[in-house]
Amino acid sequence: EDQVTQSPEALRLQEGESSSLNCSYTVSGLRGLFWYRQDPGKGPEFLFTLYSAGEEKEKERLKATLTKKESFLHITAPKPEDSATYLCAVLSGSARQLTFGSGTQLTVLP
Amino acid sequence: DAGVIQSPRHEVTEMGQEVTLRCKPISGHDYLFWYRQTMMRGLELLIYFNNNVPIDDSGMPEDRFSAKMPNASFSTLKIQPSEPRDSAVYFCASSFLTGSYEQYFGPGTRLTVT
Repeated sequence: EDQVTQSPEALRLQEGESSSLNCSYTVSGLRGLFWYRQDPGKGPEFLFTLYSAGEEKEKERLKATLTKKESFLHITAPKPEDSATYLCAVLSGSARQLTFGSGTQLTVLP
Repeated sequence: DAGVIQSPRHEVTEMGQEVTLRCKPISGHDYLFWYRQTMMRGLELLIYFNNNVPIDDSGMPEDRFSAKMPNASFSTLKIQPSEPRDSAVYFCASSFLTGSYEQYFGPGTRLTVT
């Protein structure tokens, strides 16, 4: 059974204080790892897809990386508008469904 | 494109009543997913369709839950009868058959069963 664990559960940062969120996974045959952002009262918003170890994707202050066991979402010089819950999900084997982690709630203080 | 559309956005009903949630996927997408999100269990897949056909409904919690997709642009999730433990946010998402497999989510329906 696929498992996705995200840490920490919650993270509070000062504006400009860079940090990383972790997503560790156990799957049989990773086909893709996905990062989503979810704001309160809204649906998850797609950010990145990573397919193989060593791959990196960037978008503004966010950078996602992937190893064979985990993925990191690096946030550089965050701003208050980066506050949200960040969800990680994996797609494995022949499945079409994603397995989601429980998320990291990020709060960036001005 | 307007994105995935869900209705209603909020639903409050009494235990025992029938509830119907609606979803319009992004035009051209051939996969449609129904999820449920709660604080305790996070985001759970309930059922998904490919080309309007249900592929995997193993996440549907009980026979009280049913889902249909009569055409490529419309799907419903029905709960009959509803119970307080069904209170959650229900999301619909859609994606392409090929490509990068990312799913696009709707805004959700917040269901409260009293």
